[in-house]
Amino acid sequence: AQRVTQPEKLLSVFKGAPVELKCNYSYSGSPELFWYVQYSRQRLQLLLRHISRESIKGFTADLNKGETSFHLKKPFAQEEDSAMYYCALIQGSYNTDKLIFGTGTRLQVFP
Amino acid sequence: GAGVSQSPSNKVTEKGKDVELRCDPISGHTALYWYRQSLGQGLEFLIYFQGNSAPDKSGLPSDRFSAERTGGSVSTLTIQRTQQEDSAVYLCASSRGPGETQYFGPGTRLLVL
Repeated sequence: AQRVTQPEKLLSVFKGAPVELKCNYSYSGSPELFWYVQYSRQRLQLLLRHISRESIKGFTADLNKGETSFHLKKPFAQEEDSAMYYCALIQGSYNTDKLIFGTGTRLQVFP
Repeated sequence: GAGVSQSPSNKVTEKGKDVELRCDPISGHTALYWYRQSLGQGLEFLIYFQGNSAPDKSGLPSDRFSAERTGGSVSTLTIQRTQQEDSAVYLCASSRGPGETQYFGPGTRLLVL
């Protein structure tokens, strides 16, 4: 079954420290993976998707098919990065297009 | 342009009552999705609409839940005979089509007493 695992519920770092939010997946086929972010009292929004290979707000994520991982990284965390982060994959077929989410990791960046 | 909007933003109801939640997708988006965000279950898919195709209802947790999308635009999620375990934030999203980025609304927070 398709599944997304985020092993850490909470990750706390100090400003300027590197950040890595872990995401592992199980999927039969070629996965399409995403990171969504939800800042306090804001709606869920796309941070990045692996096919675009962009760096958004300093965050990057590389798809590692061998390790079935899509970890989110940032070299120097900022206080404004504090938020809830969700890794997700799309289960797409001829009649569906749903996102399967991990349970999320709360990132706290202390000053 | 305007993003996905949902109403009401909060809804408190008594166990056993019916509720209707509304979603207005981004104009021109053909795909519409409902998800549920709850403490115990995280973010779960409920239902997916794409154009005039039959919806994917595989995520609806029971037959008390139903949804429709009128005219390919506005969608309504209905929960009949609400139970306390239905308490959650119900999120709507829309996209330009399958595989495209899904844009989320602010959610409706439902509390069943």
